[in-house]
Amino acid sequence: QKEVEQDPGPLSVPEGAIVSLNCTYSNSAFQYFMWYRQYSRKGPELLMYTYSSGNKEDGRFTAQVDKSSKYISLFIRDSQPSDSATYLCAMIDAGGTSYGKLTFGQGTILTVHP
Amino acid sequence: SAVISQKPSRDICQRGTSLTIQCQVDSQVTMMFWYRQQPGQSLTLIATANQGSEATYESGFVIDKFPISRPNLTFSTLTVSNMSPEDSSIYLCSVGPGQGSFGPGTRLTVL
Repeated sequence: QKEVEQDPGPLSVPEGAIVSLNCTYSNSAFQYFMWYRQYSRKGPELLMYTYSSGNKEDGRFTAQVDKSSKYISLFIRDSQPSDSATYLCAMIDAGGTSYGKLTFGQGTILTVHP
Repeated sequence: SAVISQKPSRDICQRGTSLTIQCQVDSQVTMMFWYRQQPGQSLTLIATANQGSEATYESGFVIDKFPISRPNLTFSTLTVSNMSPEDSSIYLCSVGPGQGSFGPGTRLTVL
């Protein structure tokens, strides 16, 4: 079993839709949770970075963490064609020898069509 | 967040040769990370490089195959040695934790 599971999609939605992206994880030691956006032929770009359970909002993006269920989500409101990219969840076990190591999900390919 | 550049951006290499990838950061950072992203796959950590100490390699990666240098707080290199077609990947460096920055990646094709 992978430490982080993410549905690879692909996911295709019309412009203006609300997009929900999800990851589950098995390692209780994960303490920090990130969402990255990766455009084709580019490096990943950090979108959201959360620590505690609950919601964090940044513009059209909302990150949600439920540590009790080991489940994280990213919601994109009013999706735009420019949101078309691969979205990767990533997690950090901040303790011990794994400090700083990012463990990634497989990535979800999102296409927003006009 | 830190701005990271990588050289080369892409290369096509012959089987059995080696390629050294450079990573330059615009600020001093303690930890640098090297990742591999194989075609259609997510990112996998190769090793963590701290200035002044040996790199720490993840399971499945060894120093003889992926030697790393970290001569100062703004620079690191990763060498892919004795390459085979299975080494065809995108190689990315990152700084962290939590700083979120990745380099643009080096796209390597091994023939």
